Amino acid sequence: ILNVEQSPQSLHVQEGDSTNFTCSFPSSNFYALHWYRWETAKSPKALFVMTLNGDEKKKGRISATLNTKEGYSYLYIKGSQPEDSATYLCAFKASGTYKYIFGTGTRLKVLA
Amino acid sequence: DTAVSQTPKYLVTQMGNDKSIKCEQNLGHDTMYWYKQDSKKFLKIMFSYNNKELIINETVPNRFSPKSPDKAHLNLHINSLELGDSAVYFCASSRTSVGTDTQYFGPGTRLTVL
Repeated sequence: ILNVEQSPQSLHVQEGDSTNFTCSFPSSNFYALHWYRWETAKSPKALFVMTLNGDEKKKGRISATLNTKEGYSYLYIKGSQPEDSATYLCAFKASGTYKYIFGTGTRLKVLA
Repeated sequence: DTAVSQTPKYLVTQMGNDKSIKCEQNLGHDTMYWYKQDSKKFLKIMFSYNNKELIINETVPNRFSPKSPDKAHLNLHINSLELGDSAVYFCASSRTSVGTDTQYFGPGTRLTVL
């Protein structure tokens, strides 16, 4: 059974703080890791697709890194804003399967 | 224009009924998915079709059956609904089934079984 874990489960930060959270996944048979942003009462929206060990991706104040050898990815948010409040999901895809395994998400609340 | 749409958005029904949820994508994607968001907020894959061919068929009760009349549509039929089927169901699509393509999610259908 493939396990994808995200930590922390939830966190509150003050506006302007930088924060980061972790997605841990199996280090064998890695194919791709996706990050999504999921606002309440909406549907998940893609942030990044990461495929190579050492990948770093950036979109505005949000960036992500990937370590496939040790099985983790970090998502960073610089200078958090209230509109960053959402659940951040990662989804792991192993080679040889069409299936995605989603983590439980990290629920971020940015306080103004 | 909505990329991935689902109907209905809310569905309230009695135990034992049969219901369908429809999903359509106008992105020209080859691959479509059904996910169930369970009570712990996990998103779990149920089915996936690539060009109308079933490629993921997870362990779900056989009361659930997907149907893909064409590659822009993937419908979910549920027979003999049970209380435990209450959940939010999300449809998604991606350009291909390769795994490096972004998935685009629909707005979700909240199913409540009474």
